[in-house]
Amino acid sequence: KNEVEQSPQNLTAQEGEFITINCSYSVGISALHWLQQHPGGGIVSLFMLSSGKKKHGRLIATINIQEKHSSLHITASHPRDSAVYICAVRQGGSEKLVFGKGTKLTVNP
Amino acid sequence: NAGVTQTPKFRVLKTGQSMTLLCAQDMNHEYMYWYRQDPGMGLRLIHYSVGEGTTAKGEVPDGYNVSRLKKQNFLLGLESAAPSQTSVYFCASTYNPGRALGPLHFGNGTRLTVT
Repeated sequence: KNEVEQSPQNLTAQEGEFITINCSYSVGISALHWLQQHPGGGIVSLFMLSSGKKKHGRLIATINIQEKHSSLHITASHPRDSAVYICAVRQGGSEKLVFGKGTKLTVNP
Repeated sequence: NAGVTQTPKFRVLKTGQSMTLLCAQDMNHEYMYWYRQDPGMGLRLIHYSVGEGTTAKGEVPDGYNVSRLKKQNFLLGLESAAPSQTSVYFCASTYNPGRALGPLHFGNGTRLTVT
């Protein structure tokens, strides 16, 4: 079993819909990262959080440390949001991150 | 700021050939990483470095070597390429402000095919 599980694996939505991507992990962590991989392959960091909630534009990330679960929400989705969203966790003081396999989001006009 | 720059972007090798991938960052980051990404799998750590002159093995280090002679550069070498090393390779860097680790900055990737 992967230490970091994402769901769903694939998600198709219509423009304007509210999107939720989930990430569950099985180890104690000090931080959780959400990343976006564009269709062209580039990877950018969206959020890094260790508690509570963060918001950037139409993106919101939440984490529940007790339940070992995080969600990434996209409000008013747009075709340009189409990408693979990746969750990664840092265990304790490790210098390394453990990655989920990603959720492929397609937003149709 | 260029951020993280990887070279080359694409490469085709024959089995047994060697090559070096270069990662350069201009953000003065201590931590640098090499990952490979294969279809259906998450990013997997090959080797990493927590500072100039130091390197450590990740999940899938076999067949690869690394060096970090200068803080801004992290080199990944394949001594004798195998078809199983066909993959997309990403370099990343970050800093370490205490427990949390800073956000990761990724290069644009190198697509390597070994025939």
